[in-house]
Amino acid sequence: DAGITQSPRYKITETGRQVTLMCHQTWSHSYMFWYRQDLGHGLRLIYYSAAADITDKGEVPDGYVVSRSKTENFPLTLESATRSQTSVYFCASRGAPAGGDYEQYFGPGTRLTVT
Amino acid sequence: GNSVTQMEGPVTLSEEAFLTINCTYTATGYPSLFWYVQYPGEGLQLLLKATKADDKGSNKGFEATYRKETTSFHLEKGSVQVSDSAVYFCALILISGSARQLTFGSGTQLTVLP
Repeated sequence: DAGITQSPRYKITETGRQVTLMCHQTWSHSYMFWYRQDLGHGLRLIYYSAAADITDKGEVPDGYVVSRSKTENFPLTLESATRSQTSVYFCASRGAPAGGDYEQYFGPGTRLTVT
Repeated sequence: GNSVTQMEGPVTLSEEAFLTINCTYTATGYPSLFWYVQYPGEGLQLLLKATKADDKGSNKGFEATYRKETTSFHLEKGSVQVSDSAVYFCALILISGSARQLTFGSGTQLTVLP
């Protein structure tokens, strides 16, 4: 499928378990992002990546790990899930800016519940 | 640091009513400004944008004007439809910064009743 996809769309896990959320984009965009969406907070950036093998922390990185071995994939791992990580997670991507265009394209989201 | 403040929701309107969602920002520089929309069960989509002062972004009947003097980017639509029911996010990006990441407001839920 063309575009940006996330899997799974829904996940329920237990406290302490490791969970990996997948993100895949078909545009060969250099930049990819992970956000979490919580009521009253809007979207907060967890991690981002400017290119394969280049990642950096965002606003709320604690408890999360990312990797980017291939341009098209950007998995997000919760090493030991906590209830506070219950949220909706969005992946996004964008190309290198052209003419000041920094538009990001978002995936459909993964709703994660930690019990 | 950079921040975006949106009017608190939820906002409930009747079809064909006039819509305003207020957005103000704080930035150490000259940001580009965006409105994103999130329909139920979906990811965010860019609705409109403005990259410099006095620019007006417009799309699908929505408009917003970049006001540097009031640091605002209010979203307006003259006649809303039921299909406009969604969550609207104001956002900024600071082109001169090293990170060049979007900073979002907390979102405003809009419900339009028939």
